Amino acid sequence: GQQVMQIPQYQHVQEGEDFTTYCNSSTTLSNIQWYKQRPGGHPVFLIQLVKSGEVKKQKRLTFQFGEAKKNSSLHITATQTTDVGTYFCAGPEGNEKLTFGTGTRLTIIP
Amino acid sequence: GAGVSQTPSNKVTEKGKYVELRCDPISGHTALYWYRQSLGQGPEFLIYFQGTGAADDSGLPNDRFFAVRPEGSVSTLKIQRTERGDSAVYLCASTLTGELFFGEGSRLTVL
Repeated sequence: GQQVMQIPQYQHVQEGEDFTTYCNSSTTLSNIQWYKQRPGGHPVFLIQLVKSGEVKKQKRLTFQFGEAKKNSSLHITATQTTDVGTYFCAGPEGNEKLTFGTGTRLTIIP
Repeated sequence: GAGVSQTPSNKVTEKGKYVELRCDPISGHTALYWYRQSLGQGPEFLIYFQGTGAADDSGLPNDRFFAVRPEGSVSTLKIQRTERGDSAVYLCASTLTGELFFGEGSRLTVL
């Protein structure tokens, strides 16, 4: 079955530094979604990318979908303490079954 | 309701017992998903409903797990003869257009 891997597994950054997480799928994806899960919380949808090479921005967050539609990245500029959490990418297997990545846990050092 | 509601929020049971976990999706959402999440792991797909029917149940680990959605709204995840390895947070999510809206989860602990 489809596998979705993310690196790094953990990332500790000083507040104000940038952060990037990378997502790689074993299969070509029709789209990719990103979710954020705060400690003790549930995953919350951030964004969906559909087109090859697509780049979308949400304030300090930049999302990119690879040209081959098998990888994606999330970059956060100038991290803040509110960015703490685990970031998951998720891609559909077939039409509807959404497979989540392994996640990148971000901690911020004030 | 305003969001996806899951009950109970916490369930402690003994090995071998039967448990039911309930999910009330966002009104009007046709698709409903169940995931299982262990500590430090990503959500693991269990089953997906489109309307009343299970469109994909390939993630159910074995025949002790079963889920229903008889009227296309509320869903119940049923686990028979629970084992310690079933301990996890069971997440329910619903969607209309693809992005998932998750509930707070039901934390199951099997002693």
